[in-house]
Amino acid sequence: GDSVTQMEGPVTLSEEAFLTINCTYTATGYPSLFWYVQYPGEGLQLLLKATKADDKGSNKGFEATYRKETTSFHLEKGSVQVSDSAVYFCALSQGGSEKLVFGKGTKLTVNP
Amino acid sequence: EPEVTQTPSHQVTQMGQEVILRCVPISNHLYFYWYRQILGQKVEFLVSFYNNEISEKSEIFDDQFSVERPDGSNFTLKIRSTKLEDSAMYFCASSERQGVTDTQYFGPGTRLTVL
Repeated sequence: GDSVTQMEGPVTLSEEAFLTINCTYTATGYPSLFWYVQYPGEGLQLLLKATKADDKGSNKGFEATYRKETTSFHLEKGSVQVSDSAVYFCALSQGGSEKLVFGKGTKLTVNP
Repeated sequence: EPEVTQTPSHQVTQMGQEVILRCVPISNHLYFYWYRQILGQKVEFLVSFYNNEISEKSEIFDDQFSVERPDGSNFTLKIRSTKLEDSAMYFCASSERQGVTDTQYFGPGTRLTVL
């Protein structure tokens, strides 16, 4: 079945460092891809999404590009802030299904 | 901003007991979901619900589980006879429309501990 594999954490960075969280997927067809973020004590929030190959999703300085050739959707940010400390989840969804298939999540801690 | 709420935030129960986890979806949303995350594992889809019917469910969602929308605002997940392996964080979500590109909005979760 469909699956998502993402970089295991935790990841600890200093403020203003460059962030990459790797995400690869296995799926039949052409899934839509998502990054969700969970801040402490809150629910998962959609951060960005891409629905077809070569699409780039972006939000709050974060970006991810849908790469069909490498089945990847890596999350990047050029300069992280303390407020970006959270757990980041990569996910996919297939046409015809309502469910999201998630990776395990990567905990990011940004130190001042 | 509207949000999905869940109660309780933490539920402790004895094995074999029934539990009901409660969710209040965003008011104009029509599609509702439950997911769970066992500690250290992936967030897993359990069930989706629309128009008072289950529209999709996973293999995890067996006869021990049921969902209900008892009134116009609540959406509940019932586990009839809890097992140790049901210990997990349970997330409720809702969306306005169906479809893979419509955003699912998640609640903060209920941590269920089965002793």
